[in-house]
Amino acid sequence: GDSVTQMEGPVTLSEEAFLTINCTYTATGYPSLFWYVQYPGEGLQLLLKATKADDKGSNKGFEATYRKETTSFHLEKGSVQVSDSAVYFCALTGTASKLTFGTGTRLQVTL
Amino acid sequence: GAGVSQSPSNKVTEKGKDVELRCDPISGHTALYWYRQSLGQGLEFLIYFQGNSAPDKSGLPSDRFSAERTGGSVSTLTIQRTQQEDSAVYLCASSLRSGPQETQYFGPGTRLLVL
Repeated sequence: GDSVTQMEGPVTLSEEAFLTINCTYTATGYPSLFWYVQYPGEGLQLLLKATKADDKGSNKGFEATYRKETTSFHLEKGSVQVSDSAVYFCALTGTASKLTFGTGTRLQVTL
Repeated sequence: GAGVSQSPSNKVTEKGKDVELRCDPISGHTALYWYRQSLGQGLEFLIYFQGNSAPDKSGLPSDRFSAERTGGSVSTLTIQRTQQEDSAVYLCASSLRSGPQETQYFGPGTRLLVL
């Protein structure tokens, strides 16, 4: 079945550091790929998505590129801020509409 | 417009009792999803509605779990004879249409604690 693997956290970075959170997937066909973010005390919010190979999703300075050849959708940001501290979830939808999530990666950004 | 709303926000119940969790999707959204977030299992899909029909119930963990949707809008997730392992945050999401490319918008969740 479909599955998503993302790097274990927590990830601790200093403000203005470069962020990469790795995400790889297994799915039949051509899944759509998503990054969701959960800020402390808040619900899940869509951060970005890509629906076909080589698409780049971007939002709030975050980017991720749908790489079919490596079955990856790594999240990157050039300069993180304290306000980016949250849990980040990589997810996919395969042939069905349901989301399959990774385990989440906690990001802590310090001054 | 208003987002997805869920009630109650918190529910504490005793083992063996039944509970009902409610979800109000974004107005006009035809697809509705229930997920569960727990420490041990992460985020898991439970059930999906298109209109009032549930074409995918594959994530319901046992026959103690059921859900319905009426009028193509509000949905209720019912857990009968609750067990301690049912303790989790139950999340509802909706999307404008069904389909793998659609964005799902999540509610704040109902935190269920079974004593």
